[in-house]
Amino acid sequence: EAQVTQNPRYLITVTGKKLTVTCSQNMNHEYMSWYRQDPGLGLRQIYYSMNVEVTDKGDVPEGYKVSRKEKRNFPLILESPSPNQTSLYFCASSSPLRAETQYFGPGTRLLVL
Amino acid sequence: DAKTTQPPSMDCAEGRAANLPCNHSTISGNEYVYWYRQIHSQGPQYIIHGLKNNETNEMASLIITEDRKSSTLILPHATLRDTAVYYCIVRNTGGFKTIFGAGTRLFVKA
Repeated sequence: EAQVTQNPRYLITVTGKKLTVTCSQNMNHEYMSWYRQDPGLGLRQIYYSMNVEVTDKGDVPEGYKVSRKEKRNFPLILESPSPNQTSLYFCASSSPLRAETQYFGPGTRLLVL
Repeated sequence: DAKTTQPPSMDCAEGRAANLPCNHSTISGNEYVYWYRQIHSQGPQYIIHGLKNNETNEMASLIITEDRKSSTLILPHATLRDTAVYYCIVRNTGGFKTIFGAGTRLFVKA
């Protein structure tokens, strides 16, 4: 089954404790992206990747890092999480042949205390 | 990428057509109009997209005005399961940078 998976789905952590949210897709897609969603603000793009070792900033990259060492994986790293990073996070992937059809993961709900 | 303007919420009776408007007055010539929806807190789901011609698929129809400054997503026979937030997005197909606005929350009522 074609899918995007994220782990963990729920996470409670404390300020300053480094964490990684993993994202994996099994569709051999070149494009991958991370979004955060906050009430009243819709989805905002954090980072995106056009291919392995190719990443670029979205609209709200501050406080986040990403890496794309393998085509199927695109982890989101919070080196020193802060309470304003409490949010719902989505990973997405798509093929350049059908870039309009982004497949989204189920979401990761993060609470930073 | 151009910004879009959508009404914050709309109601629709079950079985009737739901018409969701979107304004994108600053759209440029190579930008497409895309629609996604998000049910509760699930990941958004692609619905349809178009450049300047009207489009139809199994989920919906997309009507784009001749000047391309606005569009309407039509769900021909809305069901309760269509209750969701609908996002109108404009961007070109060459890149992957995507801007989602606040969307329209559609309530389908029995």
